[in-house]
Amino acid sequence: DAKTTQPPSMDCAEGRAANLPCNHSTISGNEYVYWYRQIHSQGPQYIIHGLKNNETNEMASLIITEDRKSSTLILPHATLRDTAVYYCIVRVATPRRAGSYQLTFGKGTKLSVIP
Amino acid sequence: DSGVTQTPKHLITATGQRVTLRCSPRSGDLSVYWYQQSLDQGLQFLIQYYNGEERAKGNILERFSAQQFPDLHSELNLSSLELGDSALYFCASSATGQPGTIYFGEGSWLTVV
Repeated sequence: DAKTTQPPSMDCAEGRAANLPCNHSTISGNEYVYWYRQIHSQGPQYIIHGLKNNETNEMASLIITEDRKSSTLILPHATLRDTAVYYCIVRVATPRRAGSYQLTFGKGTKLSVIP
Repeated sequence: DSGVTQTPKHLITATGQRVTLRCSPRSGDLSVYWYQQSLDQGLQFLIQYYNGEERAKGNILERFSAQQFPDLHSELNLSSLELGDSALYFCASSATGQPGTIYFGEGSWLTVV
């Protein structure tokens, strides 16, 4: 799986957009970008994933560069409840064997939303 | 609510003891995963089961074992507990068609004293 690089921490003012970058320069053509977050001591929560097109859902938007070597997770209007560690993970979508699949979490970016 | 249920939520036990953590995956999910998160540490993948069969193993100690039952619930058994085993243990599940979308439970806090 491709390795990802994220800044260890970021601050964002409440109500502003939070833009969390992720570098995955060794990503392969069949690898997706997944984003998860973990609010302190809670179970990680799936946010969004994408292959090469930009994606948007009710939680966030995912912007993937044309060369797919980096991506940005955008929380359009950050709230205090968005304070969490955000993980960017690159992984193939389909395992070689059904059910043989796990996500490896790195250190992520600790996002602090400031009032 | 992710739909993944873990019990117990909190557990305090002594060194040398054995405990069992239980997980009920989301309805219909065949894959179950176990992760460990120690204080200020990242999420460490332990083991994965798919429809009752072990499919992937991570950094799971020999003192730890897991299984997935025919009704798809899973148990993580931790034996000969040491102080360093104190951690938050997460169970997660995913659907076969969406393996990268994993839903986590709220975790079981284990404290070994």
